[in-house]
Amino acid sequence: KNEVEQSPQNLTAQEGEFITINCSYSVGISALHWLQQHPGGGIVSLFMLSSGKKKHGRLIATINIQEKHSSLHITASHPRDSAVYICAVGNTDKLIFGTGTRLQVFP
Amino acid sequence: ETGVTQSPTHLIKTRGQQVTLRCSSQSGHNTVSWYQQALGQGPQFIFQYYREEENGRGNFPPRFSGLQFPNYSSELNVNALELDDSALYLCASSLVGSETQYFGPGTRLLVL
Repeated sequence: KNEVEQSPQNLTAQEGEFITINCSYSVGISALHWLQQHPGGGIVSLFMLSSGKKKHGRLIATINIQEKHSSLHITASHPRDSAVYICAVGNTDKLIFGTGTRLQVFP
Repeated sequence: ETGVTQSPTHLIKTRGQQVTLRCSSQSGHNTVSWYQQALGQGPQFIFQYYREEENGRGNFPPRFSGLQFPNYSSELNVNALELDDSALYLCASSLVGSETQYFGPGTRLLVL
């Protein structure tokens, strides 16, 4: 069993839909990261959180430390949101990554 | 403030050869981590360098080695390449003690 599990693996949506991506982890963490990876490979950090909720534009990330679970929400999705979204947890100075969720948003 | 850069962007090697990948950290960052991302998978931690010393290592064999230079740039060396080494190699820089890592664009290695 992977230490960081994401669901779903693949997700398609129509423009404007509300999207949720889930992440569960089984190790102790110092923080949880949500990252975005575009087809070229570059990774951009979206959020780093250790408790509660953070919001940036149309993106919202929540974490429940007791349940070892986090969600990434995208409101009013747009085709430019199409990317792979990766959950990673900070553990002793290294990151442990989930396998990612591939999101495609169609106009 | 310059971002993290990596070179080359793409590389093709044959089995048994050796390869060196390079990373320039974001200005002021003294810690660099290297990750291997196989196709369709999440990145896997290879190792981290801080002040030119290895500061943690993932489950990779000794033929994966690294260097960090006084200017905080870094190299990843892989000897005796195997087909399964084909992957995207990412470096990320950070300040020691900070959780935030800044990723480079990656080097895509293909081993034939």
